[in-house]
Amino acid sequence: DTGVSQNPRHKITKRGQNVTFRCDPISEHNRLYWYRQTLGQGPEFLTYFQNEAQLEKSRLLSDRFSAERPKGSFSTLEIQRTEQGDSAMYLCASRGSGPTGSGEQFFGPGTRLTVL
Amino acid sequence: AQSVTQLGSHVSVSEGALVLLRCNYSSSVPPYLFWYVQYPNQGLQLLLKYTTGATLVKGINGFEAEFKKSETSFHLTKPSAHMSDAAEYFCAVSRPSGGYNKLIFGAGTRLAVHP
Repeated sequence: DTGVSQNPRHKITKRGQNVTFRCDPISEHNRLYWYRQTLGQGPEFLTYFQNEAQLEKSRLLSDRFSAERPKGSFSTLEIQRTEQGDSAMYLCASRGSGPTGSGEQFFGPGTRLTVL
Repeated sequence: AQSVTQLGSHVSVSEGALVLLRCNYSSSVPPYLFWYVQYPNQGLQLLLKYTTGATLVKGINGFEAEFKKSETSFHLTKPSAHMSDAAEYFCAVSRPSGGYNKLIFGAGTRLAVHP
């Protein structure tokens, strides 16, 4: 069990460019979450996957954002036409199912996005 | 809708002193409750959680929290602060059923520990 990993750890981009982040959850976890954390705030929920199905999306996830989990394993989060307001830490978390999965999520180290 | 309020964005204590970080929640149903800690440039690590059963919950690194339904609170305490406790702490709630257990976080409390 190597934990949740995220790549890249840091991304600097110019306004208007597209960026893609990757999350590799804990291998036996079928549930995956994306959160966004801006400076001085707690993380905010963006989207949720159960296996490959995207079951919930926050209103924070505008049309410029898209997330996928094609084989129910790793996930990608893409932001098109980035804006300075997209600058934030993007966190991925995974959770197992069954009786032990009482809401406990395991977080990755995050990808810090800076839009210039 | 659920929400979480953490009173005090910054708390400063002396090494060896009591740590008390406050968390109040709003929820239409008894939620699951969590405390996470975040060190600089790292992800969140679970300190402790309350789901059902005993309302006093013990976590890692000597932290504990008590669920008080009547006060809608879940305050985090540690009897004696250590320098290594300096970090940001987040209280979070989730719904036990429905809502896919997504976490709703408070704004966080930054704990400083001085010698």
